[in-house]
Amino acid sequence: QKEVEQNSGPLSVPEGAIASLNCTYSDRGSQSFFWYRQYSGKSPELIMSIYSNGDKEDGRFTAQLNKASQYVSLLIRDSQPSDSATYLCAVPKAGNMLTFGGGTRLMVKP
Amino acid sequence: GAVVSQHPSWVICKSGTSVKIECRSLDFQATTMFWYRQFPKQSLMLMATSNEGSKATYEQGVEKDKFLINHASLTLSTLTVTSAHPEDSSFYICSALGLAGGGDTQYFGPGTRLTVL
Repeated sequence: QKEVEQNSGPLSVPEGAIASLNCTYSDRGSQSFFWYRQYSGKSPELIMSIYSNGDKEDGRFTAQLNKASQYVSLLIRDSQPSDSATYLCAVPKAGNMLTFGGGTRLMVKP
Repeated sequence: GAVVSQHPSWVICKSGTSVKIECRSLDFQATTMFWYRQFPKQSLMLMATSNEGSKATYEQGVEKDKFLINHASLTLSTLTVTSAHPEDSSFYICSALGLAGGGDTQYFGPGTRLTVL
């Protein structure tokens, strides 16, 4: 089992819809979780961090964490074509090194 | 806040030459920085962890003598690709560990695209 798993996609949603991105992790002791967005040819950009069970909202983005089920998700409301990118779920391990999921490619169609 | 810069953004060099890439945290101090490499359509691959004032820790399979890392200050880490060859052509990205949230947030630089002819 991979340490951090994501569906590679592509996930295709129409403009204005809600995009739901999911991530599962194997280390039950993980305490912090990050979502990064990476446009093609660019470096990752931090979108959200979440540390506690439940929801955390920031603008059109909502991160959801369920430690008991070991999953973290990212919801993007009112999806825009500019949201089309690869979304990386990341979980720190010893030494603050990040373990990344393989990324989910999101395509928002006008 | 939490801005990380890299220089150069792209570089083209001849085979056998050395290339230095700088990574700077502009508005915060970073005792730890990380260097990644990413090939087209592949995931980020961690190369090494750079700690200020000490030797870098390299991931398995990464040649420390080929990829020299120096973290001489709290805001600057450098990666030198020595005797570069075409297979070293890649997108090199650094990140710096910032003190947001639990103190374990990595902020990424914009990356350096290296092409070795």
